[in-house]
Amino acid sequence: EAQVTQNPRYLITVTGKKLTVTCSQNMNHEYMSWYRQDPGLGLRQIYYSMNVEVTDKGDVPEGYKVSRKEKRNFPLILESPSPNQTSLYFCASSILGLLQSTDTQYFGPGTRLTVL
Amino acid sequence: GNSVTQMEGPVTLSEEAFLTINCTYTATGYPSLFWYVQYPGEGLQLLLKATKADDKGSNKGFEATYRKETTSFHLEKGSVQVSDSAVYFCALRGAGGGNKLTFGTGTQLKVEL
Repeated sequence: EAQVTQNPRYLITVTGKKLTVTCSQNMNHEYMSWYRQDPGLGLRQIYYSMNVEVTDKGDVPEGYKVSRKEKRNFPLILESPSPNQTSLYFCASSILGLLQSTDTQYFGPGTRLTVL
Repeated sequence: GNSVTQMEGPVTLSEEAFLTINCTYTATGYPSLFWYVQYPGEGLQLLLKATKADDKGSNKGFEATYRKETTSFHLEKGSVQVSDSAVYFCALRGAGGGNKLTFGTGTQLKVEL
């Protein structure tokens, strides 16, 4: 079954304690991305990757890091979490799109993070 | 830059009522347009999509038509069910290629018996 998995699904942590949210896809997709979802703001892109070892900032990258050492995995790292990073996080993947392509982005189930 | 504007929610309807969720966009050229649905506790799922002017996307009784002249992609369904209760996101993908999606803020739909 084609899927994007994220772990953990729920996480409560304290300010400053480093954490990693894992993301894995089994569709051999080149493109992977992280979004955060906040009330009234929709989804905003944090980082994306167009292939192994190729990553770039999205719209709200401050306070986050990513890595892409393998094609299937794209972990999100919060080196020193702060309360304003409390949010719902989604990982997504797709094939690398061409002009006018409507290739579907597949989303993971989400990780609800609370930073106290 | 690109942007998507959706009507504020929540929208509350009775079962079998007609649904319209408005979506307008700002983008250069001809972006691709999408509607995603998020059921409670789940991730986003693609509902329908359209790539060029006058294209109509449809799925599960939902429809949306790409209107270039009004820069709109309104979501409609003729008869909603309780199971349609979810959050609906309008999104666009820029005409320049790449995979980035720009989302609207989402519209929560509640359907009651």
